[in-house]
Amino acid sequence: GAVVSQHPSRVICKSGTSVKIECRSLDFQATTMFWYRQFPKQSLMLMATSNEGSKATYEQGVEKDKFLINHASLTLSTLTVTSAHPEDSSFYICSASLGQGGMNTEAFFGQGTRLTVV
Amino acid sequence: GESVGLHLPTLSVQEGDNSIINCAYSNSASDYFIWYKQESGKGPQFIIDIRSNMDKRQGQRVTVLLNKTVKHLSLQIAATQPGDSAVYFCAEIPSFQKLVFGTGTRLLVSP
Repeated sequence: GAVVSQHPSRVICKSGTSVKIECRSLDFQATTMFWYRQFPKQSLMLMATSNEGSKATYEQGVEKDKFLINHASLTLSTLTVTSAHPEDSSFYICSASLGQGGMNTEAFFGQGTRLTVV
Repeated sequence: GESVGLHLPTLSVQEGDNSIINCAYSNSASDYFIWYKQESGKGPQFIIDIRSNMDKRQGQRVTVLLNKTVKHLSLQIAATQPGDSAVYFCAEIPSFQKLVFGTGTRLLVSP
């Protein structure tokens, strides 16, 4: 299957600093990537849809100025958590789909990034 | 709003038993459903999917059943193994490629 690589897998940062997480599709081009957030023992919650060459689409309640998304190429999307606070500590996961259009396409997930803000 | 929920938060089985994990979804417009397995500290891993024009689909040791009448989805794992221990999520696609995940069920397999 297709491979999605996410980096770093773990990061610890100080409160007030910014952290960048990368999501790469290694063997396919992804026009659209998705960013999720997962708290312990909870489900994945979609944060935003990252579109190559255009602005990301954020889900309701997600601050776009807080979670900056850039999708500069068909194989790379980045999520930057700006001015991080302890409540931003979470597991962040990206996914990419092989589909160029339509709904019913399999999504492949990255390994996730464990962010801890101290 | 849209929701996809699971009946059992934790399911404990003995190795070799068959496991059944259930899921209820609320969006009748969804026509594609996926089961994912997530191990601790990792991203979700695709297990099996099913389209709404089907009521059953089988994979290797896994079977997904879809009952659109009652908006219910289930995942059956045959001969459950310790390596099957993980959290299982059902997900639906109510709109373009956007997955809505259920709350998850933890499967514990004891030897």
